[in-house]
Amino acid sequence: EVQLLESGEGLVQPGGSLRLSCAASGFTFSNFAMSWVRQAPGKGLEWVSGISGSGDRTYYADSVKGRFAIYRDNSKNTMYLQMSSLRAEDTAVYYCAKDVSGVGIVVLDKWGQGTLVTVSA
Amino acid sequence: QSVVTQSPSASGTPGQRVTISCSGSSSNIGSNSVIWYQQFPGTAPILLIYTDNQRPSGVPDRFSVSKSGTSASLAISGLRSEDEADYYCAAWDDSLNAYVFGTGTKVTVL
Repeated sequence: EVQLLESGEGLVQPGGSLRLSCAASGFTFSNFAMSWVRQAPGKGLEWVSGISGSGDRTYYADSVKGRFAIYRDNSKNTMYLQMSSLRAEDTAVYYCAKDVSGVGIVVLDKWGQGTLVTVSA
Repeated sequence: QSVVTQSPSASGTPGQRVTISCSGSSSNIGSNSVIWYQQFPGTAPILLIYTDNQRPSGVPDRFSVSKSGTSASLAISGLRSEDEADYYCAAWDDSLNAYVFGTGTKVTVL
């Protein structure tokens, strides 16, 4: 059974940094692209970033480009999102999701339960 | 501000057919597959249906999709109370080099 477990939840001040982790199990992690998707309170889904199975290709939404970095450690079956220069508008539940593709972001077929990031003074 | 828009809400009585629309552009829906996700309050989204009406196991064939040009739609036939949820379309955008979600549609069963 595919399982995705996010961690790194926290309250951080504007301008601060935080790292999220997504531990995966139940599938061959390195074969599949992964994404981070967020949802601000009461709002819709927003794709944040994606990474290919090998980790050599990364993709970002314009809203986080230059501030967030996605990477993965396939030896640990874990994906990360390093967030810096955080803003109030980054406050959201962050979900990690597995893709059916190994390279691009196409179909997010499995999702974690999410972890809450709050940016506030 | 999403580049893919959906009507904010849709509703119907049990047994009715409800259609949700998703409008984009040539760089996303017009040139890539459209995927649909379902989300119940307080829970993570789940994959509902995608290319050529492919459904994960457990998703009933009451759900179907279609696409024409830069628009797509999700139809729910034989509406049931358990279909009450938020629905999002999504597609890769070649111009933004990013995955874009639609604005979401809340389906209410009256």
